[in-house]
Amino acid sequence: GAGVSQSPSNKVTEKGKDVELRCDPISGHTALYWYRQSLGQGLEFLIYFQGNSAPDKSGLPSDRFSAERTGGSVSTLTIQRTQQEDSAVYLCASSLAVLWETQYFGPGTRLLVL
Amino acid sequence: GQQLNQSPQSMFIQEGEDVSMNCTSSSIFNTWLWYKQDPGEGPVLLIALYKAGELTSNGRLTAQFGITRKDSFLNISASIPSDVGIYFCAGPPAKETSGSRLTFGEGTQLTVNP
Repeated sequence: GAGVSQSPSNKVTEKGKDVELRCDPISGHTALYWYRQSLGQGLEFLIYFQGNSAPDKSGLPSDRFSAERTGGSVSTLTIQRTQQEDSAVYLCASSLAVLWETQYFGPGTRLLVL
Repeated sequence: GQQLNQSPQSMFIQEGEDVSMNCTSSSIFNTWLWYKQDPGEGPVLLIALYKAGELTSNGRLTAQFGITRKDSFLNISASIPSDVGIYFCAGPPAKETSGSRLTFGEGTQLTVNP
């Protein structure tokens, strides 16, 4: 498709388990972002990838969170030893490098930690 | 981190009415963005503002970048049922050294009664 895609769309897991969330950005977009949206809240920045540069990880809430981007395209956000407070919608966005503030979002992955 | 104060938190209006919502910050912003989020979807960019004092329209939507660079408003004229959703303001604060993260307001939930 032409837009940002994310999978799975929904994920239910048990506390303590690890989860992986996937993002496919728009083709040609060199910048990729992960945000977290808790119920009734705005979006919270997590991590940003731009080309081959070192990612900006300053928004990751703890060392249980990590992300990688292979081949400059697909990205995976991993949450280890999930906690109930990790329950949220995880949104991925991509943008052209020269228009980085104009970010296009995927539909999100709804994570529920029981 | 930086905070964007968005108001009102929610609005209930009749179809055909005009709507106004705003966003303020204690910090200067170089860009103001307005997004709309439909249920189960990621935010979609509505309007981008790049210059203080700028007034930009997109159909029935009009947004302005405040002269002080610390506020912005979004107006929707002649509302229709499909305007229902959550509206977010966002932007990269001028002092943001990471260069890429967006700060989001907490959103305005709009309900339009037919």
